[in-house]
Amino acid sequence: TQLLEQSPQFLSIQEGENLTVYCNSSSVFSSLQWYRQEPGEGPVLLVTVVTGGEVKKLKRLTFQFGDARKDSSLHITAAQPGDTGLYLCAGGQGAQKLVFGQGTRLTINP
Amino acid sequence: DTGVSQNPRHKITKRGQNVTFRCDPISEHNRLYWYRQTLGQGPEFLTYFQNEAQLEKSRLLSDRFSAERPKGSFSTLEIQRTEQGDSAMYLCASSLGLAYTDTQYFGPGTRLTVL
Repeated sequence: TQLLEQSPQFLSIQEGENLTVYCNSSSVFSSLQWYRQEPGEGPVLLVTVVTGGEVKKLKRLTFQFGDARKDSSLHITAAQPGDTGLYLCAGGQGAQKLVFGQGTRLTINP
Repeated sequence: DTGVSQNPRHKITKRGQNVTFRCDPISEHNRLYWYRQTLGQGPEFLTYFQNEAQLEKSRLLSDRFSAERPKGSFSTLEIQRTEQGDSAMYLCASSLGLAYTDTQYFGPGTRLTVL
């Protein structure tokens, strides 16, 4: 069974601080997606990474795929209250089902 | 392109009743997926279609669950004889299905509450 472990599960920090969320697995994935989900809504895609060692930036968010394609991280610089939400990583093997982590619930306090 | 749509957004039913959900994927997307998400967890895969063919079903999909995609466009997910444990958010996603590393786009979900 493929599993993705996200850490931390909950994170509450002050506006302006930096943070990193981790996504780890013992399985190799062909791609890894990061999604953000608001209460009562579906996940919204943030980024897809496919190459080992790949780094992608989206404004204040930096995503990295591990060299072995088993792990990933999301780093947010100077967090803002608008960054509050549930962040989900999901691993794909081919163009089939995604395996999701349990999510990181992030709260940014003004 | 209006994205993936799902109807209804919310459904409250009594235990033992049947319910049906609909998903309309992004047009020209060949693949359609169903996931289930319970409170505090990430989504779990249920099944997926390549055009009208159902290619994989999770062990989570008991005999009471059935999904169809009759013309390769919209899909329906039916739950028969609902149980309280079926209460969850049911998410639909679609993808082009052309690349090895396909990106899935999710709809807003249908929240089911079984009383």
